[in-house]
Amino acid sequence: AQRVTQPEKLLSVFKGAPVELKCNYSYSGSPELFWYVQYSRQRLQLLLRHISRESIKGFTADLNKGETSFHLKKPFAQEEDSAMYYCALAHGSSNTGKLIFGQGTTLQVKP
Amino acid sequence: ETGVTQSPTHLIKTRGQQVTLRCSSQSGHNTVSWYQQALGQGPQFIFQYYREEENGRGNFPPRFSGLQFPNYSSELNVNALELDDSALYLCASSPPGRASTDTQYFGPGTRLTVL
Repeated sequence: AQRVTQPEKLLSVFKGAPVELKCNYSYSGSPELFWYVQYSRQRLQLLLRHISRESIKGFTADLNKGETSFHLKKPFAQEEDSAMYYCALAHGSSNTGKLIFGQGTTLQVKP
Repeated sequence: ETGVTQSPTHLIKTRGQQVTLRCSSQSGHNTVSWYQQALGQGPQFIFQYYREEENGRGNFPPRFSGLQFPNYSSELNVNALELDDSALYLCASSPPGRASTDTQYFGPGTRLTVL
C-alpha cells in the first residue's frame, strides 16, 4: 500500500539549532516526493520537491530510495520556520496528480 | 493573478443533508483536486478533475461527487452527510503539464461541521 509516514507530530528546537523532519514512504515504483508547508493562518503551499533538487528558505531534502526516506533538513532553524510541514508523494508515471500526504509535523522554533 | 478561492468558508449541516462546496481555480490552471483533511490528519485525496472529466479518485464512497465547469471552476457535492464527514475540505489547482510533478496550489479550505 502507498503510504507516507511522518513519525513526529511535534518537533521543538531552539533558534540556530539544526532541524530534521523525518519522512518515510511506502511505494512500489518511481515516486515523486514533495514537502508542503502551512504557516499560521496561511494556506498550504509547496516548499520543495525532490526532482528540482533545490534549496528553499535554507531547507533541503534528499530522496533516499534505499531507505525510502525524504527527510527535510535545515542547518540553522529560524523562528519564522515555525509551521506545519507535510511530506507528500505522487505517482511518478501517472497522469493523475493524486498526492498522498503524511500526518504532518509541527515545527516549533523557540527563541 | 488570482489564487485559488473556495466558498463558503464555514458550513454547518445535519446528518443526512446534502452539501455543495465551490472552488475557483487559479488563472490558467485546468486541473482541480479535492482533499478532505480531518482534524490532526494530513489531507486525503478525494478526486481530481481535468478538462471537466474525473481524472482519478481516492477511497471515498460514491456519495462524494464532483463537477468541473468550462471555466475550470469546480464543485464538490456530498450526499447523505455523516458525522465523520466533518472536516476541512481543500481544493487545489494545477497548471497544464505533467500532473504527477506539477505544483498544486491550495485554497484556504471550507470547514464543514456535521451535527
